[in-house]
Amino acid sequence: EVQLVESGGGLVQPGGSLRLSCAASGFTFKSYWMHWVRQAPGKGLVWVSRIDSDGSRTSYADSVKGRFTISRDNAKNTLYLQMNSLRGEDTAVYYCVREGRAGPTTYGHWGQGTLVTVSS
Amino acid sequence: QSVLTQPPSASGTPGQRVTISCSGSSSNIGSNTVNWYQQFPGTAPKLLIYSNDQRPSGVPDRFSGSKSGTSASLAISGLQSEDEADYYCAAWDDSLSGGVFGGGTKVTVL
Repeated sequence: EVQLVESGGGLVQPGGSLRLSCAASGFTFKSYWMHWVRQAPGKGLVWVSRIDSDGSRTSYADSVKGRFTISRDNAKNTLYLQMNSLRGEDTAVYYCVREGRAGPTTYGHWGQGTLVTVSS
Repeated sequence: QSVLTQPPSASGTPGQRVTISCSGSSSNIGSNTVNWYQQFPGTAPKLLIYSNDQRPSGVPDRFSGSKSGTSASLAISGLQSEDEADYYCAAWDDSLSGGVFGGGTKVTVL
């Protein structure tokens, strides 16, 4: 069974940093591109970032470019999101998602999400 | 302001057919496939339709998707009370080099 388990969320002050982790199991992690998608409280889904299967190619939403860094450790079956210079508008539930074979926004598997709250 | 445009709400009585539209542009829907997600409060989204009109295993055939040009739509036929949820369309945007979602449509069963 495919499992994606996020961790690392919490309360952080504006300007602070946080690193999210996503532990993957039940599939060959190194074979799949992975993404982060977020959802602010009461709002819609927003794509954040994508990384290819070996970690050599990444892309980001304009709203986080230069502040967030996606990475992965295929030996540990873990996806990361390093978030720096956090702002109030970054407050959201962050989901780790696995890209499906049918294309880059085909997310057949989602984690349960981890809440990041940016507030003083 | 979402890149893909969906109506904020839709409703119907049990048994009715409800359609949700998703409007985009040549850089997203016009050149890539559309996926649809269903989300219940407090839970992660679930893939409902992929590649414009394909249903993952386990999704009832009451749900169907279509795409034409730079627009797509999700139809729910034989609406049931358990279909009350938020629905999102998504596509890759070649100009942004990123994923884009619609703002979501809340479906209410009257």
